[in-house]
Amino acid sequence: TQLLEQSPQFLSIQEGENLTVYCNSSSVFSSLQWYRQEPGEGPVLLVTVVTGGEVKKLKRLTFQFGDARKDSSLHITAAQPGDTGLYLCAGGSNYKLTFGKGTLLTVNP
Amino acid sequence: SAVISQKPSRDICQRGTSLTIQCQVDSQVTMMFWYRQQPGQSLTLIATANQGSEATYESGFVIDKFPISRPNLTFSTLTVSNMSPEDSSIYLCSVDGINEQFFGPGTRLTVL
Repeated sequence: TQLLEQSPQFLSIQEGENLTVYCNSSSVFSSLQWYRQEPGEGPVLLVTVVTGGEVKKLKRLTFQFGDARKDSSLHITAAQPGDTGLYLCAGGSNYKLTFGKGTLLTVNP
Repeated sequence: SAVISQKPSRDICQRGTSLTIQCQVDSQVTMMFWYRQQPGQSLTLIATANQGSEATYESGFVIDKFPISRPNLTFSTLTVSNMSPEDSSIYLCSVDGINEQFFGPGTRLTVL
């Protein structure tokens, strides 16, 4: 069974602060995806990384895939209240996704 | 991308009854997935539904409890049978894209 450990589980910060969320596994995935979920809605894809060592930037969000394709991180710069939500990492293998437990981020104004 | 709708959006049901959740996609897709998200938890895959074949269930989920239909390439249903309070969850359907999945808004089920 492939497992993804995501940390921290909860994070409450002030507007303007930086944060990093981690996603680790003992398994190799063909892709690593990050989703954001708001209450009452399904997860929405933020980014997919497929190459070991890959770094992708999406405005204030920076995503990194580990060299061995077993871990990933999400870094948010100058967090805003609109960044509040549940952040989920998901490892892709064949056609299936394995989700981490999620990080519930609250950004206080 | 794909636009996915689910019905109902939420329901409150009595234990021992069954509820069928519908998932409609705005384009033809090969694979559809059903997930469960228990309160405060992440997503757990229940089964994969392909048109024209039996659904493939993940460990811990069985067809008698969660029968699935996939009559065509744009529609699927998931039934939660003989419900108990432990079945209270959000149920989500998704479809496969290229290196991503698109999710419906979910059905919030409460079993009393």
